[in-house]
Amino acid sequence: AQKVTQAQTEISVVEKEDVTLDCVYETRDTTYYLFWYKQPPSGELVFLIRRNSFDEQNEISGRYSWNFQKSTSSFNFTITASQVVDSAVYFCALSEVGYGNKLVFGAGTILRVKS
Amino acid sequence: KAGVTQTPRYLIKTRGQQVTLSCSPISGHRSVSWYQQTPGQGLQFLFEYFSETQRNKGNFPGRFSGRQFSNSRSEMNVSTLELGDSALYLCASSLKQDSYEQYFGPGTRLTVT
Repeated sequence: AQKVTQAQTEISVVEKEDVTLDCVYETRDTTYYLFWYKQPPSGELVFLIRRNSFDEQNEISGRYSWNFQKSTSSFNFTITASQVVDSAVYFCALSEVGYGNKLVFGAGTILRVKS
Repeated sequence: KAGVTQTPRYLIKTRGQQVTLSCSPISGHRSVSWYQQTPGQGLQFLFEYFSETQRNKGNFPGRFSGRQFSNSRSEMNVSTLELGDSALYLCASSLKQDSYEQYFGPGTRLTVT
C-alpha cells in the first residue's frame, strides 16, 4: 500500500534559520517517484521537485536541497536561510509507476517563517 | 505560457444539488487529474484523464464523475451534493501520462450548505 507520512504538523522558525521538513514513505514497488509541492496561502500547489527511486543523489536548487535515502524510505527537504516568503504548507507525495499520474500526498507541514 | 485555469473559483451550493467544475490544462498537456482537499482528509486523488479516457480513479462514490474533451479541457461533476463535499477541488495537468510532474490550478472552493 502507498503511504506518505509527514510527522511535523507545523514548524516555526525565525528568518535566516535553516529548516528541514521530513517525509517518510511506504511502497511495495521498486520503481516510484517522489515529489515535493508548496502551497502558499493563495491555495495553488507549486511543483518543487520530482525524483525517481533509482536516483539517490542529493539535489540542490538555490536555497532548497533534498536528501533521498532509500534505506530509511525518506525524502527530506531542507530550506537554507529561510525567508518570510517561504511560509506555506509543504506536501510530500508519492507516485507508483503504472498508476498514471496519481499522487498520494502526505498530510503536509505548515512552515511559518517569522521576521 | 498560461497555467492551469479553473472555473469557477468559488461556488456555494445547497445539499442535494449538483455541480460542474471546469479545468483548462496547460497548452499541450493531455493529462488532467482532479484532487479534493479538505482539512480532515487532506489531499485525495479523484481521477485522471488522458486523451479523453479515464485512466485512474480514486476511492470516491459514484456521485463524483468527470470527463475530458478533445481539446484536453476537463470537467468534474458531483451529483446529490452532501455537506461533506465542501472542499477545495484542485485540477492538475501534465505533459505525460505516468508519474510525471503535474502543474496545479488555483482550485475551486465549493461550499455546500
